[in-house]
Formats: sequence, structure tokens, C-alpha cells
Amino acid sequence: DVVMTQSPLSLPVTLGQPASISCRSSQSLVYSDGNTYLNWIQQRPGQSPRRLIYRVSNRDSGVPDRFTGSGSGTDFTLKISRVEAEDVGVYYCMQASHWPPNFGGGTKVEI
Amino acid sequence: EVQLVESGGQLVQPGGSLRLSCAASGFTFSTYWMSWVRQAPGKGLEWVANIQQDGSKEHYVDSMKGRFTISRDNAKNSLFLQMNSLRAEDTAVYYCLAYSDAWTSEYWGQGTLVTVSS
Repeated sequence: DVVMTQSPLSLPVTLGQPASISCRSSQSLVYSDGNTYLNWIQQRPGQSPRRLIYRVSNRDSGVPDRFTGSGSGTDFTLKISRVEAEDVGVYYCMQASHWPPNFGGGTKVEI
Repeated sequence: EVQLVESGGQLVQPGGSLRLSCAASGFTFSTYWMSWVRQAPGKGLEWVANIQQDGSKEHYVDSMKGRFTISRDNAKNSLFLQMNSLRAEDTAVYYCLAYSDAWTSEYWGQGTLVTVSS
């Protein structure tokens, strides 16, 4: 199985300041159709998960533009340009290029 | 508005069985892959199984193969997970997840809690 490694595990942030989360896969996530199926998922405290970014860099509808995904191959990054209080929670990267789809261990973002 | 509403989670004894359901609305259910993802208390997310749009193909994570069965009823916009031979380590919130081809759209339910304990 592909191993997804996120860092850091915990990310103390300051409101209004940028934040960055790294995700590395043990194999290239470029799929046979040319797409890279790497998603970023946010889980706020007590809530169900919600996808923010799909296929590396595409924001889901309603996701603020302060969230940006980037990367290629095996190295990916989620950046928050200016952290807001509502961004507190756990962030997961998830790959769907190889079976089974799986998730990174999560990065806890806290103020 | 898209809704995925899971039900069926409860306390069950080790070795027991449970059937989870997920009722979908607000999108064209029959055009979406459907899956179950679980989250043990205080832990991360774990893929369980998925099923193709017409129900013709199912895939399971190895640790659940042979014990869990995913199915769907497109006429009723419903997804199911039959869980047998339950173990303590199956204790988790089970989420219903819908995604389109190429993952362009994705929707999560609110989850249902399964507790396996004597």
C-alpha cells in the first residue's frame, strides 16, 4: 500500500499568519490517466470531514482562497495564507491514485 | 442540498453483526462511486470499501475482506455496509462518502458510531 506521511503532526499557528502542511507519498501519485489524485481534507473539532482541495490544487466550492494546494509526484503541500480561527482542526492528505485509497496521519492545526 | 445520512450504528458484542445504511439526496446517486470510511476514537481516517456506480464492482481493504459487504440500491438512493464477525478494533465512526469520476465532486455524511464491546 502507498504510505502517506504528513508533517508536522501538530502545527501551532498565529491568527493572520501563514501555515503550511507537507504530505509525502511512498510512490508517485500520477495515475495512468495523467491525473494526480491527491486531496486535502479538513476535519474541524466534532465535525465530519470535508474536502478542501482535489487533484492537488483544485479548490472545492465554497473553500476560501486562502487555502492553496500544490506539489507533484510524491511531494505535496497545503498552505493557508492567513490563518483564521475557523481553520482549527485536523488536516489530512488523501491519495486515490492507488488501491486502497488512504490518508495521511493528520496534522492538528491549533491556535 | 446534498445530504448523506448514515444510520444503523449501535453497541454490538464481539462476533456480532450489524448493517449500516446511508440515505443520499441532492445529487444523482447512480452516477457516483460510493464508499465507507471509518475513524476509530481519537484516530485518523481509514478507507473501508467502495462500490462502482452500477454496483458491478466492489473493493475492500484487506483487513475487512470477507467480513464486510458493501452494496447499494440505486432505486432507493441508498448505500449499505453489512458487517459480520465484528471485533473490538472495528469500533469507529463510519462515514458514507460519495465521489464522482476523477474525484471532481465529493460528499461526506455525518457518520454513525459503531461500538463493539461485551
